[in-house]
Amino acid sequence: DAGVIQSPRHEVTEMGQEVTLRCKPISGHDYLFWYRQTMMRGLELLIYFNNNVPIDDSGMPEDRFSAKMPNASFSTLKIQPSEPRDSAVYFCASNAARQGSGNTIYFGEGSWLTVV
Amino acid sequence: AQSVTQPDIHITVSEGASLELRCNYSYGATPYLFWYVQSPGQGLQLLLKYFSGDTLVQGIKGFEAEFKRSQSSFNLRKPSVHWSDAAEYFCAVGASSNYQLIWGAGTKLIIKP
Repeated sequence: DAGVIQSPRHEVTEMGQEVTLRCKPISGHDYLFWYRQTMMRGLELLIYFNNNVPIDDSGMPEDRFSAKMPNASFSTLKIQPSEPRDSAVYFCASNAARQGSGNTIYFGEGSWLTVV
Repeated sequence: AQSVTQPDIHITVSEGASLELRCNYSYGATPYLFWYVQSPGQGLQLLLKYFSGDTLVQGIKGFEAEFKRSQSSFNLRKPSVHWSDAAEYFCAVGASSNYQLIWGAGTKLIIKP
């Protein structure tokens, strides 16, 4: 089982540049989550998808952030333009809504973003 | 309001000593409860979970947790910690009706040699 795969693992970019983070969920999982983790705010849910459809994006901080899930095996989180305060670790996670599995969420290893 | 409280921001224990990390929750429905661990520079890994049944659950790496409904608690324990247990530990609560989790702020575990 490959687990949730995220890329890039680390990115350093200049303020104003576009950043695209990528995620491949675990095969067969029908929920996908994007989280952001910072020292100040801890772990925040940005958006989640069910069967490729965005269900709740209330955690997306502002219009500079957007997320897509064009198919069951791929999602992107885009920041345009990026700002230094976007520096954080961005986690993708997935979950299978099978009876009895509850809502165990499996995390990727994160994309460590630094905006300078 | 739904919330998860981990009252200890960090805890320091000696290697070989026992450990208990506290987690209290406020949740309207029957909760699903989780403990995750995050090693430095890594993602979050599931340690254990409680859905129903026996209130004492066993997890990976020798951890266990006990669900106490009367105290709204789900404390994590380990009888003897190892230096490799140094990490941040997160408690989370969810419901069967949706797939979001409410997260605690985390407890950082420091191991003294």
